[in-house]
Amino acid sequence: AQRVTQPEKLLSVFKGAPVELKCNYSYSGSPELFWYVQYSRQRLQLLLRHISRESIKGFTADLNKGETSFHLKKPFAQEEDSAMYYCALINNAGNMLTFGGGTRLMVKP
Amino acid sequence: EPEVTQTPSHQVTQMGQEVILRCVPISNHLYFYWYRQILGQKVEFLVSFYNNEISEKSEIFDDQFSVERPDGSNFTLKIRSTKLEDSAMYFCASSDHLARGVPYEQYFGPGTRLTVT
Repeated sequence: AQRVTQPEKLLSVFKGAPVELKCNYSYSGSPELFWYVQYSRQRLQLLLRHISRESIKGFTADLNKGETSFHLKKPFAQEEDSAMYYCALINNAGNMLTFGGGTRLMVKP
Repeated sequence: EPEVTQTPSHQVTQMGQEVILRCVPISNHLYFYWYRQILGQKVEFLVSFYNNEISEKSEIFDDQFSVERPDGSNFTLKIRSTKLEDSAMYFCASSDHLARGVPYEQYFGPGTRLTVT
């Protein structure tokens, strides 16, 4: 069975502060992980995927297989980063996403 | 930019009634999905669909649920006899053909809020 855990429901930081949204997973296969973001009144959209090793909007995430983690980080938070963030794991067949419970990020001015 | 669309945005129905939720995936996509999110809970996978058949389904997707691609553009989720606990936001998603070694990116619709009274 695959499982994704996001321990924080809410993370509140001031603008310019560093941000780390935690994600841990459990999966017996080779994990492929994603971060999805949902801005207010908008649809779920892909933020980044671990396999691309990219930085999107200043966010990065590194897969740590030893700690089974895929934490999302940004060195300097912006007010426009306020949103709901979901960590997700895809199965080996590539046809099922398992989501974490989500973390609401609030960036205060 | 093409998007997944869903109709209606909000549906209210009485317990025991049948509902059909509609989705129009992105036109050149081949893989289709339904997820749901009960208020305050996580987004849960229901079913994936490829080549006119179900390729994966969760325990939630029991005999009360069915999916169909009735024509070249629509993808529907039917709930035969709704229960109170079916109240949730239902998301449709679609993805393109898998490129070797790259996982599917699933594009999500805005969701249909189903309220069962």
